[in-house]
Amino acid sequence: GQNIDQPTEMTATEGAIVQINCTYQTSGFNGLFWYQQHAGEAPTFLSYNVLDGLEEKGRFSSFLSRSKGYSYLLLKELQMKDSASYLCGIPQGGKLIFGQGTELSVKP
Amino acid sequence: SAVISQKPSRDICQRGTSLTIQCQVDSQVTMMFWYRQQPGQSLTLIATANQGSEATYESGFVIDKFPISRPNLTFSTLTVSNMSPEDSSIYLCSVEEGGAGVEQFFGPGTRLTVL
Repeated sequence: GQNIDQPTEMTATEGAIVQINCTYQTSGFNGLFWYQQHAGEAPTFLSYNVLDGLEEKGRFSSFLSRSKGYSYLLLKELQMKDSASYLCGIPQGGKLIFGQGTELSVKP
Repeated sequence: SAVISQKPSRDICQRGTSLTIQCQVDSQVTMMFWYRQQPGQSLTLIATANQGSEATYESGFVIDKFPISRPNLTFSTLTVSNMSPEDSSIYLCSVEEGGAGVEQFFGPGTRLTVL
């Protein structure tokens, strides 16, 4: 089985940096995904980490430590449109199992 | 990337009735999945829709309540049977391209309200 844990909600200020953590325990590991979901919309892919380290994509970066069962999503230069739910997910046997999601609110 | 459509986009149903949700993909895919997202919560996998065989259900979900069809590699249906207000959720289908660890694409979802 697997267990994936994220904070339920976070608040940050426009222009700031925020780090959303995800810890996991799983039998077998095939990488970790981050998805963004705006209210009322389908989740959209942000990143996929399979090796340790930091992967940067513009304002968003994702980090993975397999030995610690830990990942984070780093959002820089926050914008109001970044207010959304952020889901970390782990593929298991071809299916994707999600954590409970972190609701991020960006304030002016 | 795969383009996925779902019908209906939303519906309001009476308790005790059933609703069938359709998921259409614009390309052939091996793996199709059905998720439920209850209000304010994350996505929970209901089942994996297998082409040519019965769906594989996750713990807590059963075929009698959520029968699934997968007649070909581009289409699947999920039926929510004998609905109750607790079934009010968003139901999303998703597909995976290329095998384990490759990005999953999600349909726009079906917002179901049961009165």
